[in-house]
Amino acid sequence: AQSVTQLGSHVSVSEGALVLLRCNYSSSVPPYLFWYVQYPNQGLQLLLKYTSAATLVKGINGFEAEFKKSETSFHLTKPSAHMSDAAEYFCAVTPANQAGTALIFGKGTTLSVSS
Amino acid sequence: EPEVTQTPSHQVTQMGQEVILRCVPISNHLYFYWYRQILGQKVEFLVSFYNNEISEKSEIFDDQFSVERPDGSNFTLKIRSTKLEDSAMYFCASTPGKGGLAKNIQYFGAGTRLSVL
Repeated sequence: AQSVTQLGSHVSVSEGALVLLRCNYSSSVPPYLFWYVQYPNQGLQLLLKYTSAATLVKGINGFEAEFKKSETSFHLTKPSAHMSDAAEYFCAVTPANQAGTALIFGKGTTLSVSS
Repeated sequence: EPEVTQTPSHQVTQMGQEVILRCVPISNHLYFYWYRQILGQKVEFLVSFYNNEISEKSEIFDDQFSVERPDGSNFTLKIRSTKLEDSAMYFCASTPGKGGLAKNIQYFGAGTRLSVL
């Protein structure tokens, strides 16, 4: 069984500040991990993915995440927040190398950016 | 860039009515999915579909739901008799299903907002 826990349903930062969104996962098999972003009234856009290659993954819009197996974590970071980063962020897990398997999502973290 | 397209973007229906939500997955993808997101809640898996049959489904996907790939491009979700609690955003997704590390990456459509009155 797999699960995802996102600590903090709401994170607020100032423009230019570091963004850190936390994600911990549980998986009985090697996982693939994803971060998706959802802007208001829009669909889910893939930010970045971990697919068992490099543990530090870079995504779009300056975001990156590091897979830490020992901590079962996949936290999302961005060095300097921009107003346009305000959105809902979802961490998701699925078994590696098993196409057709459900993505299990966390409850999401709302990121607010103030000027 | 190829994308998953969903129609309509917003569907309003009366309780008890049947609705069909439509999706066009990315061409040459092999696996298709439906998810739903009730307002303010997380995205939940409904069903996956491969080779013209359901490959996995969740507890949410009960007898009132059905999926179909009526032709080579469309993938539909039918809700037989809608209930108020079916009001949600419904997302379609597809994955390549082959091709190394990318085979299990799910690409999502923009969603259909279903409002049951």
